[in-house]
Amino acid sequence: EPEVTQTPSHQVTQMGQEVILRCVPISNHLYFYWYRQILGQKVEFLVSFYNNEISEKSEIFDDQFSVERPDGSNFTLKIRSTKLEDSAMYFCASSVDPSAKNIQYFGAGTRLSVL
Amino acid sequence: DQQVKQNSPSLSVQEGRISILNCDYTNSMFDYFLWYKKYPAEGPTFLISISSIKDKNEDGRFTVFLNKSAKHLSLHIVPSQPGDSAVYFCAAGGTSYGKLTFGQGTILTVHP
Repeated sequence: EPEVTQTPSHQVTQMGQEVILRCVPISNHLYFYWYRQILGQKVEFLVSFYNNEISEKSEIFDDQFSVERPDGSNFTLKIRSTKLEDSAMYFCASSVDPSAKNIQYFGAGTRLSVL
Repeated sequence: DQQVKQNSPSLSVQEGRISILNCDYTNSMFDYFLWYKKYPAEGPTFLISISSIKDKNEDGRFTVFLNKSAKHLSLHIVPSQPGDSAVYFCAAGGTSYGKLTFGQGTILTVHP
């Protein structure tokens, strides 16, 4: 069964450093998403991406965050200058389209630890 | 953001019995709802969904019920199995382009 893959599984970084989280969505999917879950809290939407553009972003997704599809398979989330409060589990998801008919499939996540 | 709420942090059920997980929402613009299951160190795995035009959807042991007037949905698992032990998230979509709004999750433990 096709799956969304995320690398690395765990990223440790120093505050102020840049990190790039990587995702390979399911190959025939066209819509891509990033969510995050801070320990003990809800899974929160960050951003949706389609046709090389951001479709929607949340309040969390400020200027420190950016997304990119650098090639035909990868989808990346970059945090320019990490803060302690960026420590969370980051999930990538993809879907064929954003309607109710097509569910979002999630990767296993990247645990980001900012020290 | 309290648009989707799962008021029970945990639920404990005996194997073979029914598990009922509940979810409430406040935003009338949501037009579809999903249940995801999550094991430790894994991402959320889709279980079952329901469109707002329906009041019930069934898939094997899993049934989701939607009560639009009460803004309430529930997931029934019958019979429950120890392998069902996981965190269950309710999610809602339809307010914007693909964005899902999640509840806090309910930890289900099924005892043998």
